[in-house]
Amino acid sequence: QVQLQESGPGLVKPSETLSLTCGVSGYSISSGYYWGWIRQPPGKGLEWIGNMYHSGSTYYNPSLKSRVTISVDTSKNQFSLKLTSVTAADTAVYYCARVPADDITGLSPYHFDYWGRGTLVTVSS
Amino acid sequence: SYDLTQPPSVSVSPGQTASITCSGEKLGDKYASWYQQMPGQSPVLVIYQDSKRPSGIPERFSGSNSGNTATLTISGTQAVDEADYYCQALDRSVVVFGGGTKLTVL
Repeated sequence: QVQLQESGPGLVKPSETLSLTCGVSGYSISSGYYWGWIRQPPGKGLEWIGNMYHSGSTYYNPSLKSRVTISVDTSKNQFSLKLTSVTAADTAVYYCARVPADDITGLSPYHFDYWGRGTLVTVSS
Repeated sequence: SYDLTQPPSVSVSPGQTASITCSGEKLGDKYASWYQQMPGQSPVLVIYQDSKRPSGIPERFSGSNSGNTATLTISGTQAVDEADYYCQALDRSVVVFGGGTKLTVL
């Protein structure tokens, strides 16, 4: 059974960098697929942050692209999110998830099949 | 940017059929997925590739996608189906979610 678990600080100060890690068990990231981050502000809908292919190629939400970096550590079977210059608007539950696909062109189905439980990150001084 | 539009809310009586729509330009040319989210829980994939159900998802959940609209249909809706539902598609390597629909089972 594939499991994902987010970890990281629950409180980040404005203007600082939000850093989260997603640990994966039950599947080796180096075997393939895309791995992504999605967030959900309190009481609001889902917002895609970005995805990363197992080889390291990244794709980001255009509205966040200038502040986001997603990276992978295959030796630890985990991938990470960094979001710089955070504000209160970045307060949200952050989820990591898997996309069982090797193609992001749209010619193949692209959906999130396994999700982490989510972690609440609050931006406040 | 590409947008997916869902009705904010849908109400249905127990045992009846609920339909939740998701509209986007030429959405039928893309693959649509649907997620169910219970309060305080992570989203769960209920439909992928327009109409396929993952293992463990009840048969009462079905999907279709044509033209500019994808539809999630729940037949014989039960009280346990009350949740938020989100559609999702991929547009030029950008993942897009709909705004979500709150399904109320009255």
